[in-house]
Amino acid sequence: QSALTQPASVSGSPGQSITISCTGTSSDVGVHNYVSWFQQHPGKAPKLMIYDVSNRPSGVSNRFSGSKSGNTASLTISGLQAEDEADYYCNSYTSSSTYVFGTGTKVTVL
Amino acid sequence: QVQLQESGPGLVKPSETLSLTCTVSGGSISSYYCSWIRQPPGKGLEWIGYIYSSGSTNYNPSLKSRVTISVDTSKNQFSLKLTSVTAADTAVYYCARGLNSNWSRPGPYWGQGTLVTVSS
Repeated sequence: QSALTQPASVSGSPGQSITISCTGTSSDVGVHNYVSWFQQHPGKAPKLMIYDVSNRPSGVSNRFSGSKSGNTASLTISGLQAEDEADYYCNSYTSSSTYVFGTGTKVTVL
Repeated sequence: QVQLQESGPGLVKPSETLSLTCTVSGGSISSYYCSWIRQPPGKGLEWIGYIYSSGSTNYNPSLKSRVTISVDTSKNQFSLKLTSVTAADTAVYYCARGLNSNWSRPGPYWGQGTLVTVSS
């Protein structure tokens, strides 16, 4: 299985909104709604930010939102803050009953 | 508060077997899916596989021939074995547990990760 495709980096100024894309295929993102997004700060374990395309776990800021269209899922961070600077990974269920991560996106707050 | 802790050797020789254990506290692993994920230094996350408390498993096809995940519900632990390791298996290895009995995807509960280096 091939990793889902994400942009290597995305940047924005404080207060702005940014969107990270996650492109898969008709065997993963395109056909299943088990798409998750994780935030990872340097040296830390990943943290679940979005699950099932657009659901936020308890305690996650509503500045984070998720969506999906066709084979591409997206994570939007609104009202960008310095603490949002981190690596972000998408993850999807596949038709082989396995999971695959995205290539990862480094978010920089200018 | 569910907590996970990985344990095992930090250094493994090439061609040998990597063995790690994840101990879960503050919650049960019975009726839950538990996963292993790894991250080579400076690189992205890679899903290794999961196990349900009944013992059913599913593995990353690229690692399937070398991976075994097992569970010991009496000790609230699950384990990873990866055979015939090479330098490419050097990574931080994370264990994770699902939110409910239907949650087979990674997380939301994660261990802090443990670095395993493959070197002679």
